[in-house]
Amino acid sequence: EAGVTQFPSHSVIEKGQTVTLRCDPISGHDNLYWYRRVMGKEIKFLLHFVKESKQDESGMPNNRFLAERTGGTYSTLKVQPAELEDSGVYFCASSLKQGHTEAFFGQGTRLTVV
Amino acid sequence: DAKTTQPPSMDCAEGRAANLPCNHSTISGNEYVYWYRQIHSQGPQYIIHGLKNNETNEMASLIITEDRKSSTLILPHATLRDTAVYYCIVRVVDTGRRALTFGSGTRLQVQP
Repeated sequence: EAGVTQFPSHSVIEKGQTVTLRCDPISGHDNLYWYRRVMGKEIKFLLHFVKESKQDESGMPNNRFLAERTGGTYSTLKVQPAELEDSGVYFCASSLKQGHTEAFFGQGTRLTVV
Repeated sequence: DAKTTQPPSMDCAEGRAANLPCNHSTISGNEYVYWYRQIHSQGPQYIIHGLKNNETNEMASLIITEDRKSSTLILPHATLRDTAVYYCIVRVVDTGRRALTFGSGTRLQVQP
């Protein structure tokens, strides 16, 4: 069974540009999460989808970040325009349903804004 | 979710048991203890979780004190591949917010 897949694995962009990160969860997993780790900081929650609906987006830092999950399958996280402080590693995770189901994480996308 | 306290780092000899402590003195009755780890350059990986009884799986054992204010993750025979940052997370399950709250964790270095 394929795990959570994220791409690109690395992205280097200039300040002011747009970047779109993609996450393919494990097939059949209703819950999809985005997290990020900024250099030297803890892993922080960004948002949570249940199927195609945003369940919780309390961790989104500002309106430069837009997440979508059309059709309840893969998800994209767009940063527009990117700022230097957006650099970090963005993780996606998915879990099957409610309750005690473990979250499976992808390898992450390392974003560097220069 | 309750706050957790973990030592920032620990060392363990290869082949020996690694015992990673976690304090969660403000834990509520409906909060579970979860452990995840992050091996360098990989995403976090689920290890184990429990409510009040001790739990064991193929990766580790979780010992929760009777008052539930602390717990210990035990890796019975640590290998070099167990070198990672280990996160103890306390969370309520079955609520609208099911995300994980990561702290700074314990960096475990397994020595050859």
